[in-house]
Amino acid sequence: QVQLVESGGGVVQPGGSLRLSCAASGFTFSAYGMHWVRQAPGKGLEWVAFIRYDGGNRYYADSVKGRFTISRDSSKNTLYLQMNSLRAEDTAVYYCAKDPLAYCGGDCYSYRGKWFDPWGQGTLVTVSS
Amino acid sequence: ESVLTQSPGTLSLSPGERATLSCRASQSVSSSYLAWYQQKPGQAPRLLIYGASSRATGIPDRFSGSGSETDFTLTISRLEPEDFAVYYCQQYGSSPLTFGGGTKVEIK
Repeated sequence: QVQLVESGGGVVQPGGSLRLSCAASGFTFSAYGMHWVRQAPGKGLEWVAFIRYDGGNRYYADSVKGRFTISRDSSKNTLYLQMNSLRAEDTAVYYCAKDPLAYCGGDCYSYRGKWFDPWGQGTLVTVSS
Repeated sequence: ESVLTQSPGTLSLSPGERATLSCRASQSVSSSYLAWYQQKPGQAPRLLIYGASSRATGIPDRFSGSGSETDFTLTISRLEPEDFAVYYCQQYGSSPLTFGGGTKVEIK
């Protein structure tokens, strides 16, 4: 079955950096786009970033653009989120999630993802001095 | 950006009752590109519905979705004890992908 396991969370000072990882198994990782979604403590869900199945296109929420970088290594079946210049408002549980369409469903020109299924268990990032 | 507003914020119901959750979009959601998720405390969200009305794999048929353009509804026909949770809608018809603020279904 599809499994996504995040790691790399922890406590970091404002202005610091952290890299999250998401190990994928149970499906052909190289065929699917992947997302990061976050949830601040006691709050709702916020989409953070998407990467196309081949890494060709990457999209970000305005709140993280220029500070976060999504990437993938299909030889390791792993998704990453490099987070720089962290702020207190970045404190959240970060989930990785699989996009439903293999190869963008055949239309990759402007494909930015659809729904999220399944999700990993999440990793907590706390930005605090 | 398409803003999704969910109502009510909290729904207090008893097991066996019918739950009706609303999700309203600030602009028309193209092709009914709307999904619903269930989240229980300490757990990741789980996909229930996509395409406004298609149930995800393994989702019981007491969950149903309906609606189009700017108004969408998630209905739970008869609440089971395991259905008490927070529910989120999400649109994927325009960029960026956005979520509603959630509706908590609690035991009355």
